[in-house]
Amino acid sequence: AQKVTQAQTEISVVEKEDVTLDCVYETRDTTYYLFWYKQPPSGELVFLIRRNSFDEQNEISGRYSWNFQKSTSSFNFTITASQVVDSAVYFCALSEAASNTGKLIFGQGTTLQVKP
Amino acid sequence: ETGVTQTPRHLVMGMTNKKSLKCEQHLGHNAMYWYKQSAKKPLELMFVYSLEERVENNSVPSRFSPECPNSSHLFLHLHTLQPEDSALYLCASSHGQGGYNEQFFGPGTRLTVL
Repeated sequence: AQKVTQAQTEISVVEKEDVTLDCVYETRDTTYYLFWYKQPPSGELVFLIRRNSFDEQNEISGRYSWNFQKSTSSFNFTITASQVVDSAVYFCALSEAASNTGKLIFGQGTTLQVKP
Repeated sequence: ETGVTQTPRHLVMGMTNKKSLKCEQHLGHNAMYWYKQSAKKPLELMFVYSLEERVENNSVPSRFSPECPNSSHLFLHLHTLQPEDSALYLCASSHGQGGYNEQFFGPGTRLTVL
């Protein structure tokens, strides 16, 4: 069965602190895709990154970085030097190649509050 | 306009009303999705349309009726809803329906059923 777990419901940090959002997934498929989305107060989910199961290279984009480890089925997201504008709900999601409908399985989301 | 738009942004309806949610994508995509986001629950996929054909109905009650007249528009017709149907309804689109394709989301319709 497919499942995505984001154990951290809420995280609060002070601006400029680094913060890591955890994501653990379960799948039986050997080919799958992992995503992170950001949901600001306005409501729409904003796509941040996609990784496929064959590419375990970590990725950095500005203050954002992602650590994909198949051995622990984790796809963690780190924000360096957090800013107030980073305050949002962050979702990790899984899509399996075997699903021909593009179905995304979402985690519960982690609410990040960055205080000035 | 760009991206994915949804109207209305907020909707309050009684259990006996009939209303429709509208979604429009301006990205040239050919797959569209409806998701439900309730408090304290993960986003739940409701329906998937690809090239205007419904390819997934995720065990959604019949009081929710989707319609996809063309690849740019998606509707969700609502009738005799229950208070537990109150939620944020999000529309998304993607270039192709495969799992590889990232989905682009609209801002959602906040639905309250009285």
